[in-house]
Amino acid sequence: DTAVSQTPKYLVTQMGNDKSIKCEQNLGHDTMYWYKQDSKKFLKIMFSYNNKELIINETVPNRFSPKSPDKAHLNLHINSLELGDSAVYFCASSQVGLAATHQETQYFGPGTRLLVL
Amino acid sequence: DAKTTQPTSMDCAEGRAANLPCNHSTISGNEYVYWYRQIHSQGPQYIIHGLKNNETNEMASLIITEDRKSSTLILPHATLRDTAVYYCIGRVPGGFQKLVFGTGTRLLVSP
Repeated sequence: DTAVSQTPKYLVTQMGNDKSIKCEQNLGHDTMYWYKQDSKKFLKIMFSYNNKELIINETVPNRFSPKSPDKAHLNLHINSLELGDSAVYFCASSQVGLAATHQETQYFGPGTRLLVL
Repeated sequence: DAKTTQPTSMDCAEGRAANLPCNHSTISGNEYVYWYRQIHSQGPQYIIHGLKNNETNEMASLIITEDRKSSTLILPHATLRDTAVYYCIGRVPGGFQKLVFGTGTRLLVSP
């Protein structure tokens, strides 16, 4: 059973196109994330959603629009793709607790490799 | 979250223990040390975390110094499949916290 799944695994597209990446988790978690890993392998958070509400938005261009139809899904739509958007995009999920003692582990999907030509 | 410093790369022979150090001299009192790893072309994978005491699970052991300024992740019997980039991350518990990944340590396990 795949805990966090992403589709597609590979995405090759032309500059200026609009594309979406889908993410689903079957762990019953209430929080989901999108991370971007660039060509230099730096892994950086883009967005976080908790119970379908945006919690973290890390100064990502507004061409990127996450959408969470329910707790188990967090999709990423990218408008007007640019060469610099080429990267691996990882979805993750966790169960967030607000208690000071709560520990939280994030579970990552396999990644979507986006190449913009 | 504390800034962490790790060696860029390390080598280990298969079957030997791999000891991966991490410096986190600015860690705060309630900040945990987390370790994740990323095997080539895969998503990051949680390994272990700790606050003060040494911790052990089925994957690894975590040794945290008494002053909490550094820690060591130990893979007791490294296998070829342990070749990966290992990230040490400082994190305050609770709330909506993001994981801040540094550059990590690239561990190469050789036959």
